[in-house]
Amino acid sequence: DSGVTQTPKHLITATGQRVTLRCSPRSGDLSVYWYQQSLDQGLQFLIQYYNGEERAKGNILERFSAQQFPDLHSELNLSSLELGDSALYFCASSVEGDQPQHFGDGTRLSIL
Amino acid sequence: GNSVTQMEGPVTLSEEAFLTINCTYTATGYPSLFWYVQYPGEGLQLLLKATKADDKGSNKGFEATYRKETTSFHLEKGSVQVSDSAVYFCALSVPGAGSYQLTFGKGTKLSVIP
Repeated sequence: DSGVTQTPKHLITATGQRVTLRCSPRSGDLSVYWYQQSLDQGLQFLIQYYNGEERAKGNILERFSAQQFPDLHSELNLSSLELGDSALYFCASSVEGDQPQHFGDGTRLSIL
Repeated sequence: GNSVTQMEGPVTLSEEAFLTINCTYTATGYPSLFWYVQYPGEGLQLLLKATKADDKGSNKGFEATYRKETTSFHLEKGSVQVSDSAVYFCALSVPGAGSYQLTFGKGTKLSVIP
């Protein structure tokens, strides 16, 4: 058990819809990273938050947004969903700096 | 930009065989290098890491050495077990403005048969 909790584990929805993925980091971890794992793109970094503030952006679409709340949990919001958004979305957390990232089990998003 | 190239699988080995998964990288700056493992239905787990040239990371019988001259970080294990069947990802991070985001290779699926 990594200590990182992601909910829900599975999400099935339709094109054009909006969903919210939730991540609770390990106790004491201030950084939260979001990654997308898809068959064609592999594992790609989306966005990072540190102690409530956005720190880095990767290949994140404009239809996607994220935030980190005062209790340090994070949410990834995906809107105007397309078939190509079907993927496994991982959250990872770390204390800070160059410390290992601990991954949750992911949320599998299926767009019908 | 930063990138990681690793041998594509799947790789199928018999139990107790020797394992090598090749990984090479391109990075600006001085990256830290990682191997992560993903078991079916689970998230990624850190297997080992190395933060500077000539460092050797090791864990659970797996080893990898940070080779700056060849920009490589090959994963090896002397004797694999069925329980090692998983997908292995090579990754790097280069600190930039306080972010240590990971750049991953495409993963190598390993199947070990009894």
